[in-house]
Amino acid sequence: DTAVSQTPKYLVTQMGNDKSIKCEQNLGHDTMYWYKQDSKKFLKIMFSYNNKELIINETVPNRFSPKSPDKAHLNLHINSLELGDSAVYFCASSQYPGDGNTIYFGEGSWLTVV
Amino acid sequence: GENVEQHPSTLSVQEGDSAVIKCTYSDSASNYFPWYKQELGKGPQLIIDIRSNVGEKKDQRIAVTLNKTAKHFSLHITETQPEDSAVYFCAAGGSGNTPLVFGKGTRLSVIA
Repeated sequence: DTAVSQTPKYLVTQMGNDKSIKCEQNLGHDTMYWYKQDSKKFLKIMFSYNNKELIINETVPNRFSPKSPDKAHLNLHINSLELGDSAVYFCASSQYPGDGNTIYFGEGSWLTVV
Repeated sequence: GENVEQHPSTLSVQEGDSAVIKCTYSDSASNYFPWYKQELGKGPQLIIDIRSNVGEKKDQRIAVTLNKTAKHFSLHITETQPEDSAVYFCAAGGSGNTPLVFGKGTRLSVIA
């Protein structure tokens, strides 16, 4: 069983398009995250939700809009894609936010904007 | 906020040798220090973690040490094998609701 699963794994799209990445976790965790990993492998948090409520919103363009329909799902919608959005996006979850709770990552979604 | 520095950025070792990766952190309130391994094309996976009430933890060939006074922690891999080749990330956090802050990663290559 995949604990944190995200789709699609690969996505190639043109500039200006709108795309979504879906994420689901079956660990029963309360907290979910989106991380961005650039070409240099830097892992940077974008958003965090706890029980469907946004608790962390880092400096991310408002073209990125997360949506959490329930605590097992956290989807990422990106409007008006730009070349600089090309990266690997990781969904993750933890039992609770912060406080030393282990974060479990999905396999990543490779986004290429051409 | 927390800032985590990780060194070296790349590391090559001969199979069977040891590898050491070091991290420093800035927030003295941090009390949780995990290490993640990311293989090519996959997401980061937790390999070992340590909390601030412990100075050292070992799991087979992997060990982590923590010096809270100096605010640094290290990952030690002994008897390295080619399958240890990956990118390794340290992280620090655990203070309230603030998320983990990750180091910039170390690309470890084990040469057979």
